[in-house]
Amino acid sequence: NAGVTQTPKFQVLKTGQSMTLQCAQDMNHEYMSWYRQDPGMGLRLIHYSVGAGITDQGEVPNGYNVSRSTTEDFPLRLLSAAPSQTSVYFCASSYAGRNEQYFGPGTRLTVT
Amino acid sequence: AQSVTQPDIHITVSEGASLELRCNYSYGATPYLFWYVQSPGQGLQLLLKYFSGDTLVQGIKGFEAEFKRSQSSFNLRKPSVHWSDAAEYFCAVVRGQNFVFGPGTRLSVLP
Repeated sequence: NAGVTQTPKFQVLKTGQSMTLQCAQDMNHEYMSWYRQDPGMGLRLIHYSVGAGITDQGEVPNGYNVSRSTTEDFPLRLLSAAPSQTSVYFCASSYAGRNEQYFGPGTRLTVT
Repeated sequence: AQSVTQPDIHITVSEGASLELRCNYSYGATPYLFWYVQSPGQGLQLLLKYFSGDTLVQGIKGFEAEFKRSQSSFNLRKPSVHWSDAAEYFCAVVRGQNFVFGPGTRLSVLP
């Protein structure tokens, strides 16, 4: 099993550009989530999904969109990147939200 | 609001010394508690978890943690630290169906 995979590993965007961060898991997990990690703030939940076709907002959803068309994939979209979105982004999955979460390797995003 | 605090931003210990990382949470019921470790440039790896039962839980890499309801704490311990333990450590609690993470404690290990 590959576990949770994320692409790209690094990305530099200019303000106003859009992009999609990819996340996939091969463990048949129902729950998937996106976090951003900023120094001194731990991981903050952006969006999550409890199954295909179901998504919901987390603590810091503004500026981000998600969709969940399949169990395996949970892409995160930045529609108009801003410097405040410079961060490291982690995708995670689990059997259910309160169970152990498995994390991807992260995407380091810089917005200039 | 539910929160998780890790009072120590950065801790430095000598190799072979004992370690305790503190975690406090605010929550109204018996929480689901986790400790994760993040090595530089890597994702997060689960060290251990507490759901119920024995309040002293054992994890991987020789780590253990103790749940103390009276103190709302879930401190992580290791009797003898190895240089490879240098990393950032995150405590987390489940709120509803989501995780709430603490700000993390960075551990440095002196040779």
